[in-house]
Amino acid sequence: NAGVTQTPKFRVLKTGQSMTLLCAQDMNHEYMYWYRQDPGMGLRLIHYSVGEGTTAKGEVPDGYNVSRLKKQNFLLGLESAAPSQTSVYFCASSYPTRMTGVGTEAFFGQGTRLTVV
Amino acid sequence: AQSVAQPEDQVNVAEGNPLTVKCTYSVSGNPYLFWYVQYPNRGLQFLLKYITGDNLVKGSYGFEAEFNKSQTSFHLKKPSALVSDSALYFCAVSSRSRYNFNKFYFGSGTKLNVKP
Repeated sequence: NAGVTQTPKFRVLKTGQSMTLLCAQDMNHEYMYWYRQDPGMGLRLIHYSVGEGTTAKGEVPDGYNVSRLKKQNFLLGLESAAPSQTSVYFCASSYPTRMTGVGTEAFFGQGTRLTVV
Repeated sequence: AQSVAQPEDQVNVAEGNPLTVKCTYSVSGNPYLFWYVQYPNRGLQFLLKYITGDNLVKGSYGFEAEFNKSQTSFHLKKPSALVSDSALYFCAVSSRSRYNFNKFYFGSGTKLNVKP
């Protein structure tokens, strides 16, 4: 059981280039998230999805777009990369609270280390 | 507004000694509280969670956490630290939005150093 898989694991971009990060989960989770991790700032939510075909903005959505065309996949796009987007990006997924009746934990991928030069 | 605070950037402890990593939270309503651990160049791994009931929660690798509602705290503890416990620890709180969405708020992380 793979859990949450992110591709690629590392990437270097030039300013202005675009790219897409792929997240795939095999746990049939409804909810999926994209976070970025920066030193001293913990994890900040970029975008999230509560189900196939739906997405919403998190705390730091500017400069990013997302799509959830299939339940198991959640894509994060950078249309025009900037040095401020240098970060480690994590995808996560979870069951919704209403399904289990209790607070459920999120399962994380291994991360994508992105450097924008 | 929901938030989590981890007041210590770093905690140093000798192997075999007890450890505590502190976490305080602010959330409207009843909180769901979580601890995660991150090893270098890895994703976050779930350690334990508090949902309701007993204030002392036991989790993976011998860790436990104590929920204190009056102090709005959820400190992570272990009776005897191991060198292999050295890692970055994150506290998180979950709350519901209008979509019944369990949105997670993370603290800034605490680096635990266990010295032999």
